[in-house]
Amino acid sequence: GIQVEQSPPDLILQEGANSTLRCNFSDSVNNLQWFHQNPWGQLINLFYIPSGTKQNGRLSATTVATERYSLLYISSSQTTDSGVYFCAVGGNYGQNFVFGPGTRLSVLP
Amino acid sequence: DGGITQSPKYLFRKEGQNVTLSCEQNLNHDAMYWYRQDPGQGLRLIYYSQIVNDFQKGDIAEGYSVSREKKESFPLTVTSAQKNPTAFYLCASSIQGAEQYFGPGTRLTVT
Repeated sequence: GIQVEQSPPDLILQEGANSTLRCNFSDSVNNLQWFHQNPWGQLINLFYIPSGTKQNGRLSATTVATERYSLLYISSSQTTDSGVYFCAVGGNYGQNFVFGPGTRLSVLP
Repeated sequence: DGGITQSPKYLFRKEGQNVTLSCEQNLNHDAMYWYRQDPGQGLRLIYYSQIVNDFQKGDIAEGYSVSREKKESFPLTVTSAQKNPTAFYLCASSIQGAEQYFGPGTRLTVT
């Protein structure tokens, strides 16, 4: 099955700093999502991005499907950005969604 | 309001009892999924269903059972055969091959 890796596993930032989170996957996929899990456990959809680049406020994401990686950029980080960021791939008919292990982000005031 | 609901939010059971977790969606999605999350870990797929009356085992199906009698509903039963049932359980739905949406989750504690 598809393997998904995320880096770094943990990241500590001062408020206002920028960061880049990476997701590598082992096979071609037609579906890739980024999620933020808040302290109450809710998974919040950030991007559905099987290829290309998208931006939403301070967050943006890029997926290079041919090279099997995706990047999530967080600019001017805020304490409310803290939590765990997951990427998930797959999910086409007959294919499971597979989640990466996550990146735990802590933004300090 | 469109979305996915899971109930209850917290559930406590004694060891040896079966327990059923509810998941309902009104998004008209064909596919539904159950995941398990242990503290500090990622999500692991238990079961998924891509159409009514059909479902497939995920990576950790042992000790769990599901049914999909209606498009809107995908209940998960944690049986007494599941050796470590205490976990956070998340339900999701999607249009086939497209973006997943998650419910708020159920925290199950078995003592």
